[in-house]
Amino acid sequence: KAGVTQTPRYLIKTRGQQVTLSCSPISGHRSVSWYQQTPGQGLQFLFEYFSETQRNKGNFPGRFSGRQFSNSRSEMNVSTLELGDSALYLCASSLARTAEQYFGPGTRLTVT
Amino acid sequence: GEDVEQSLFLSVREGDSSVINCTYTDSSSTYLYWYKQEPGAGLQLLTYIFSNMDMKQDQRLTVLLNKKDKHLSLRIADTQTGDSAIYFCAERSDYKLSFGAGTTVTVRA
Repeated sequence: KAGVTQTPRYLIKTRGQQVTLSCSPISGHRSVSWYQQTPGQGLQFLFEYFSETQRNKGNFPGRFSGRQFSNSRSEMNVSTLELGDSALYLCASSLARTAEQYFGPGTRLTVT
Repeated sequence: GEDVEQSLFLSVREGDSSVINCTYTDSSSTYLYWYKQEPGAGLQLLTYIFSNMDMKQDQRLTVLLNKKDKHLSLRIADTQTGDSAIYFCAERSDYKLSFGAGTTVTVRA
């Protein structure tokens, strides 16, 4: 069974631009969560989607948003990019909201 | 609230056992996890333990949970060079994971 896939793997953007990252969960998994990883703050929870609905949101500004489609694929969007948004964005999928989470390889975003 | 703490570095000789320790604060955590991250990669789920268990063994990995002290440890037997990585402890509460800062394990010959 294929693992979690994330596209693109690497991205360079300029301050003020917006970006959309994509995540395809493991087949059959219905829950998708997003995390941000930075050297300073470590791994921080962004949001969780289940059945196309955002169920949980971390402490991030409204510039960070996401959605989930009927096939469980998810996208996250960051608008008005800031230098501090440079990070590795990780997506995780799980069979159910209470099941173990499996992570993708991440999207490395660099904001210049 | 959630706060997971772990030591930052561990150096171990090849063939020895490694023990990585972690403390957590949320007593309502249902599951506790260990993830491994190699350079440039995502997180690999190594093992997990349910909060009503005190030990779980999976090949070279042994997880011990002391719920009273909110202490979790991961023992890697016969540590190999391929075990060099960052290891994250995580607790699950409210359907999300809270991670420690990660322990960088270096295996020396």
